Amino acid sequence: AQKITQTQPGMFVQEKEAVTLDCTYDTSDQSYGLFWYKQPSSGEMIFLIYQGSYDEQNATEGRYSLNFQKARKSANLVISASQLGDSAMYFCAMREWGDSNYQLIWGAGTKLIIKP
Amino acid sequence: DTGVSQDPRHKITKRGQNVTFRCDPISEHNRLYWYRQTLGQGPEFLTYFQNEAQLEKSRLLSDRFSAERPKGSFSTLEIQRTEQGDSAMYLCASSHPSGAGDRASTDTQYFGPGTRLTVL
Repeated sequence: AQKITQTQPGMFVQEKEAVTLDCTYDTSDQSYGLFWYKQPSSGEMIFLIYQGSYDEQNATEGRYSLNFQKARKSANLVISASQLGDSAMYFCAMREWGDSNYQLIWGAGTKLIIKP
Repeated sequence: DTGVSQDPRHKITKRGQNVTFRCDPISEHNRLYWYRQTLGQGPEFLTYFQNEAQLEKSRLLSDRFSAERPKGSFSTLEIQRTEQGDSAMYLCASSHPSGAGDRASTDTQYFGPGTRLTVL
């Protein structure tokens, strides 16, 4: 079964609008972390934001915020006031903080295109 | 801090040849990871080092693949007898866990620009 599901293969959004990228996850661990990365066409994976499973408040980082709904196992990324430079692939990833568990588990990504 | 660097950025090789990639992590990071990413997919974990010790290997890492981190600093990933199915982006990441209250306590993995391998 998929541990990370990103249901939107692609999205078109008008510049300056807010955009929500969906991510649902599946884990039986109580302690885990959720990450969002941006991958422009150049290929580098850029860290955006992190949410821990025990964090009581939604994470925010500049124009990025994470809408964390633990009971629904969702961790959607919200980008406010989108810019042309936001056009990229966006990946949701999870790390389960169990013993000897170091890898990130990734979703398939969402391709976001910002229209001028 | 110059971030994670990888060399080469692009490699084109013929089937059956050996290739080696290098990764230089962020200087204070003691953890280093290799991932492989094929077109249109998310990355897949390959292996993980803590200092010089290779602590975890994916079943994706066949016996043709070997990774080293001899002095706990840079790492190399070698693929022997390359196959067309090895064509992918190879990503390296590093991290450094720290205490609570620091953003880095998430043990966030920071990635390099990747090495794109094409096997003809």
